[in-house]
Amino acid sequence: AQSVTQLGSHVSVSEGALVLLRCNYSSSVPPYLFWYVQYPNQGLQLLLKYTTGATLVKGINGFEAEFKKSETSFHLTKPSAHMSDAAEYFCAVSSYNQGGKLIFGQGTELSVKP
Amino acid sequence: GAVVSQHPSRVICKSGTSVKIECRSLDFQATTMFWYRQFPKQSLMLMATSNEGSKATYEQGVEKDKFLINHASLTLSTLTVTSAHPEDSSFYICSARPGGPQETQYFGPGTRLLVL
Repeated sequence: AQSVTQLGSHVSVSEGALVLLRCNYSSSVPPYLFWYVQYPNQGLQLLLKYTTGATLVKGINGFEAEFKKSETSFHLTKPSAHMSDAAEYFCAVSSYNQGGKLIFGQGTELSVKP
Repeated sequence: GAVVSQHPSRVICKSGTSVKIECRSLDFQATTMFWYRQFPKQSLMLMATSNEGSKATYEQGVEKDKFLINHASLTLSTLTVTSAHPEDSSFYICSARPGGPQETQYFGPGTRLLVL
């Protein structure tokens, strides 16, 4: 079975500060890892994903994440937070032999203070 | 590209009635579509996986006779909540995937269902 744990249900940063959202996964097979963002009353938008290859993945809006197999982590970072980054962020894991079904973490709400 | 639409965006119905929600991939063909349910301030819970032309695969604990899923074409899947009750009130989100398991799922904007 696969699972995802997002550390911190709520993270607050100041505008311009580093954003770090933590995600740890559990998977007995090579994982596919995703970060999605959700704005209020909307669907999910893909920020970035890792399937194979380079372990540092760059996404939209200046976000990036690094797949660290030894730490079973896929933390999301952004060097400088913008007010528009305030949203709910979900980390998800899937795999080929699970048919690509996404297993989501519980989500992290990011607040950005002016 | 990779746009998924849902209709309606919100619906209010009386207890005991049925509600149909449509999910369409607008600019790609989706071999697989997924239906999720999301409660306030919570994560997404996968309800079922549907492949075009075949029966949906439901997750454990999801009543297939209550949540009817039809995937009639490569661009359309529907979720019908039959005999809806207030506890079925939720945010329902679909996603569509253009290829195999390694491909990205693209999400619709969601449908807010309120059962009175």
